[in-house]
Amino acid sequence: EAGVAQSPRYKIIEKRQSVAFWCNPISGHATLYWYQQILGQGPKLLIQFQNNGVVDDSQLPKDRFSAERLKGVDSTLKIQPAKLEDSAVYLCASSRDSPSSYNSPLHFGNGTRLTVT
Amino acid sequence: GENVEQHPSTLSVQEGDSAVIKCTYSDSASNYFPWYKQELGKGPQLIIDIRSNVGEKKDQRIAVTLNKTAKHFSLHITETQPEDSAVYFCAADDYKLSFGAGTTVTVRA
Repeated sequence: EAGVAQSPRYKIIEKRQSVAFWCNPISGHATLYWYQQILGQGPKLLIQFQNNGVVDDSQLPKDRFSAERLKGVDSTLKIQPAKLEDSAVYLCASSRDSPSSYNSPLHFGNGTRLTVT
Repeated sequence: GENVEQHPSTLSVQEGDSAVIKCTYSDSASNYFPWYKQELGKGPQLIIDIRSNVGEKKDQRIAVTLNKTAKHFSLHITETQPEDSAVYFCAADDYKLSFGAGTTVTVRA
């Protein structure tokens, strides 16, 4: 099966600019996640969608970050305006159901590396 | 929320030796514990997982153990090979996955 697709792979912007990332999950996967991975750290969940509804966005800085999942498939994550501390890899992942469900592990894309200067 | 601690942060082993990574978690409600391997420039890839009703699981050269009473779990890699060099993450799931900070494993030829 095709994996999780993300674009772009790299993005360099100046602080206060805006940026958007795109994710196409594995076909048939109901759950989609956006993670932020700062260099040297583990991934941190930003937002989780079940189909096109938000399940958890408690860690999303809503004053500058937004995400949507139209029609329960593709998703976009936007940052506006960007800060220096937003420099990180943004990983998208998908699973058939919630990860603790049997036979429903997370599959990650290769991420978008964002550098804010 | 769940807090996962992972040790060591770096691990260097001679090819053919074993590698062990240990994690502890805080939430006794967590019931799913996956391990991910992340190579440079790639996303994390699931290598093995264990659920709270199982104490040990093995898949070829890798094995995981879980001690629910002590709230810790470990990854064991035997007969290490150069291709095992990567960053390894443990995670625990109460209602969402929380990751450890990662262990950079280097296998010396």
